[in-house]
Amino acid sequence: GNSVTQMEGPVTLSEEAFLTINCTYTATGYPSLFWYVQYPGEGLQLLLKATKADDKGSNKGFEATYRKETTSFHLEKGSVQVSDSAVYFCALSGPPYQLIWGAGTKLIIKP
Amino acid sequence: EAGVAQSPRYKIIEKRQSVAFWCNPISGHATLYWYQQILGQGPKLLIQFQNNGVVDDSQLPKDRFSAERLKGVDSTLKIQPAKLEDSAVYLCASSSITALFYEQYFGPGTRLTVT
Repeated sequence: GNSVTQMEGPVTLSEEAFLTINCTYTATGYPSLFWYVQYPGEGLQLLLKATKADDKGSNKGFEATYRKETTSFHLEKGSVQVSDSAVYFCALSGPPYQLIWGAGTKLIIKP
Repeated sequence: EAGVAQSPRYKIIEKRQSVAFWCNPISGHATLYWYQQILGQGPKLLIQFQNNGVVDDSQLPKDRFSAERLKGVDSTLKIQPAKLEDSAVYLCASSSITALFYEQYFGPGTRLTVT
């Protein structure tokens, strides 16, 4: 069945460092891929999405490229800020109108 | 546009008591989801409604959990009786039937502590 695997956290970085959070997936067909973010004490928010191979989703300085050949959707940001500290979830679309979720990666940014 | 509303935000109960959570989705969103999120884990889908019909409740512990969505708008999730392992954040999300790419919009969640 469809599944998502994320790198384990926590990931701890200094402010202005480069961020990569790995996400790989197993799926039949051509799913859409998502990154959601959960700030402390809040619900999940859609960060970015990509709907077909080679699409690049981007938002708030974050980017992720849908790589079908490596079944990956890694999240990157060139220069992280303390305010980026949160839990990041990778997800893919599954029928009917459902999302298959990764376990989440906690990101801690130190000033 | 108002977001997904949930109440209460926090609830503490003793085991074997009952509890209910309420969700009001974004106006016009036909699909509503209830998730359970245990600390350090991803969301687990409990039940999915399309309008007021159930699409998927395969992971809902039906001996103690129940949910309804009357008139295809608001929804209530109930636990009776609660167990210690039900301590979690309960998230409600909604989605438009016209959303081609499965975007879901989440409420702030209800943090349940069972003692």
